[in-house]
Order: sequence, then structure tokens, then C-alpha cells
Amino acid sequence: DVKVTQSSRYLVKRTGEKVFLECVQDMDHENMFWYRQDPGLGLRLIYFSYDVKMKEKGDIPEGYSVSREKKERFSLILESASTNQTSMYLCASSPNRGNYEQYFGPGTRLTVT
Amino acid sequence: RKEVEQDPGPFNVPEGATVAFNCTYSNSASQSFFWYRQDCRKEPKLLMSVYSSGNEDGRFTAQLNRASQYISLLIRDSKLSDSATYLCVVSHSGSARQLTFGSGTQLTVLP
Repeated sequence: DVKVTQSSRYLVKRTGEKVFLECVQDMDHENMFWYRQDPGLGLRLIYFSYDVKMKEKGDIPEGYSVSREKKERFSLILESASTNQTSMYLCASSPNRGNYEQYFGPGTRLTVT
Repeated sequence: RKEVEQDPGPFNVPEGATVAFNCTYSNSASQSFFWYRQDCRKEPKLLMSVYSSGNEDGRFTAQLNRASQYISLLIRDSKLSDSATYLCVVSHSGSARQLTFGSGTQLTVLP
């Protein structure tokens, strides 16, 4: 059974803080993704990675960075958190085979005050 | 214009009803199509892939019309447990590994 885990379910941070969101998958998937989900806007892709040390910008990368030092781990970094980054953050992974089905972690609800 | 458009609903239907969701996508180069299901406060999970020939999985039937860039999902004999948000998902034109998600259609099945 594929498992994608995220470091926190709920997180409250102050404006200007540096925030780290961690994601780990245990299925040796090549591809990993970070999304944010907001009401009425659906899932929007922030960054993705197809290989270790590789990263590509998604649709809304501003204010975020990522790190993929190991195949199983993909970190999302908010360099200086702002209130408009309050959201649900979802990590996903997928293999390089079949229909590239994406498996999601449980999400981190981040509140920036 | 959004790349993937869905009616947000909500759809409130009685148990046993048949309900249909539609979705349109803007990029004609998209190659893969899916329906994901997201329960309240949970992560999205793949419900089914959608093929040009149409496909069925139990009470669920998905159809794809490439000419009209239109995808549908039909749920027959609705159960209370079908209550969820249904996300229409389309692969990115540049890469099948990258997906674009619709905002979702909310379904509530009433007893």
C-alpha cells in the first residue's frame, strides 16, 4: 500500500517566519509534487520534481522553494510566511509507469497569523 | 479561462438516484484523464481513469469526448458513502506526469 506522509496535520506560524513542510513517500516513486488547495480554486501546483536534486516550478511558485536531496523526501519551504499563504498543502507522488496516478499525503493545514 | 472547468454544485440527491457530473478541458493536447474523489477533510484519491472508449467500474461510468473536450462521470444507484467532492483531472500537455485538477463538484447523497 502506497504511503505518503506529511510532517504535520496542522501548523500555525507567524508572518515572516521560515516554514518547512516535509513529505516522505515509501514506494520509490520518481515524481513528487506540492500543491495548495483553497476553496473555489481547487488544487494548484506549486513545485514538482522528477528526480533527486531536480525541481521545476509549477503554476504558483512565488514565495516558495523546494528541496529534494533524497528520492523519498520532498520539502516545501516558505522563506518568509505571509497571511496569503494560509492554506491546505498537499504533497503527492507518482511512479514513472502506468497512468502516472498520483498518491496524496493527508495534507498540512497551515495558518499564518 | 480555467484549464479544467466543473460545475461546483452542490448536488444533493436521494439514495438510489442516478447523478451525472460534467467537466470540460481547454487543452486539446492533453492525453490522460481521470476522476479523483476527495472526502471531507481528506486527501484526493483516484476513482477511475477515463478512456476514449468509455469505461465502467461497478456503479460508476466515465466517458470522454475528445472532439468536444468533455469528460463525464455517471453514478448509478447512489449510496450515502458516495457523498464527496469529485475532481476532474487532466494531464498537462507537456507531460503526462503533471496533472491539472478541476475545482471539484460536491455531491451529497441524502437518506
